[in-house]
Amino acid sequence: EIVMTQSPATLSVSPGERATLSCRASQSVSSNLAWYQQKPGQGPRLLIYGASTRATGIPARFSGSGSGTEFTLTISSLQSEDFAVYYCQQYNNWPSFGQGTKLEIK
Amino acid sequence: QVQLVESGGGLVKPGGSLRLSCVASGFTFSDYYMSWIRQAPGKGLEWVSYISNSGSSIYYADSVKGRFTISRDNAKNSLYLQMNSLRAEDTAVYYCARKQWLADYWGQGTLVTVSS
Repeated sequence: EIVMTQSPATLSVSPGERATLSCRASQSVSSNLAWYQQKPGQGPRLLIYGASTRATGIPARFSGSGSGTEFTLTISSLQSEDFAVYYCQQYNNWPSFGQGTKLEIK
Repeated sequence: QVQLVESGGGLVKPGGSLRLSCVASGFTFSDYYMSWIRQAPGKGLEWVSYISNSGSSIYYADSVKGRFTISRDNAKNSLYLQMNSLRAEDTAVYYCARKQWLADYWGQGTLVTVSS
């Protein structure tokens, strides 16, 4: 099983600032990495797949990078609706998720 | 627009059974693999099972193999999860999702609580 580790567990950022979230895989997943956003009471929403491709309708302020075992999700200028929990997920083999990063308002 | 609506969750005793349903709309259901993914309270996400568009290929997480059965009815645009021999550790919100391995749309989830 591939273990996904996200850091930090909680990130406090002010609106308008940049947020950088990290995800590490216990072994290489190539570029088979996705990022999801989840708000309370909702199912996750796909943001990024293939490590860096934005899903349909996702704003350009969301960007992903990395390959192999190290990945980053960057939100360039935080909007109020961006405060949520973010999960990374590998799909190189049987899928597994990170434990999530809670992005909160500073 | 794509919509996935789950139902069938509830409180069940250990060893009991429950059947979850998911009704899909806004896309051609029979063209897509479908999945069940769960999230235990305050914990992370776990892929439970997925099924091919025809229903001929099915995969399960080791944690549910032999106890859960995924199925679909393309005529009714519906996905199902039959859960037997339920355990306390199966307590979670269960999400229906489109595609396998990379879920591009998710439902709002249905809560399953296994407790005596």
